[in-house]
Amino acid sequence: EAGVTQSPTHLIKTRGQQATLRCSPISGHTSVYWYQQALGLGLQFLLWYDEGEERNRGNFPPRFSGRQFPNYSSELNVNALELEDSALYLCASSLLAGGTDTQYFGPGTRLTVL
Amino acid sequence: RKEVEQDPGPFNVPEGATVAFNCTYSNSASQSFFWYRQDCRKEPKLLMSVYSSGNEDGRFTAQLNRASQYISLLIRDSKLSDSATYLCVVSKVNNNDMRFGAGTRLTVKP
Repeated sequence: EAGVTQSPTHLIKTRGQQATLRCSPISGHTSVYWYQQALGLGLQFLLWYDEGEERNRGNFPPRFSGRQFPNYSSELNVNALELEDSALYLCASSLLAGGTDTQYFGPGTRLTVL
Repeated sequence: RKEVEQDPGPFNVPEGATVAFNCTYSNSASQSFFWYRQDCRKEPKLLMSVYSSGNEDGRFTAQLNRASQYISLLIRDSKLSDSATYLCVVSKVNNNDMRFGAGTRLTVKP
């Protein structure tokens, strides 16, 4: 069974540009989560999508946004990139909506903002 | 104060040693608890969930103390392959706002 996939693996942008990151959950999983892992810091929760709707967001500015498509894949968009947005962005999926269900992580997209 | 705090590490131990990691959380509404493992430049993977009664999976034992808002992970008979960063994770039920600790790095040496 295929795991969570993310694309691209690496992304290099300049300050002020927009970045789009993509995630495909494990087949059958309806919930998708996005996290930011900056160098030396722990994972920070960004967004949670379930059944096409945003269910919760972490403490990030509105320029971090996303969406979930009917096939449950998801996109994370970061507008007006800043240098401190450079980080590993991890996507996870779970079968059930709810904190008790295991989240499975993708390999991540490493975003570098120059 | 961070919501989830872990031992800063790093822990450098010889093969066969027993090592314990501690984690405290600040939100008393937290209901679900996990330990994840993250290898260098890889994604986190679930190691084990943590239940109120404590649970064991082979060489790994997790404990939860709700009164003290404290979680622990004990690794017995450490193997070289246990070298990784261990992440303590808490969340509230039906919220999915999982809060990760910064992680504790373990290096097991021959």
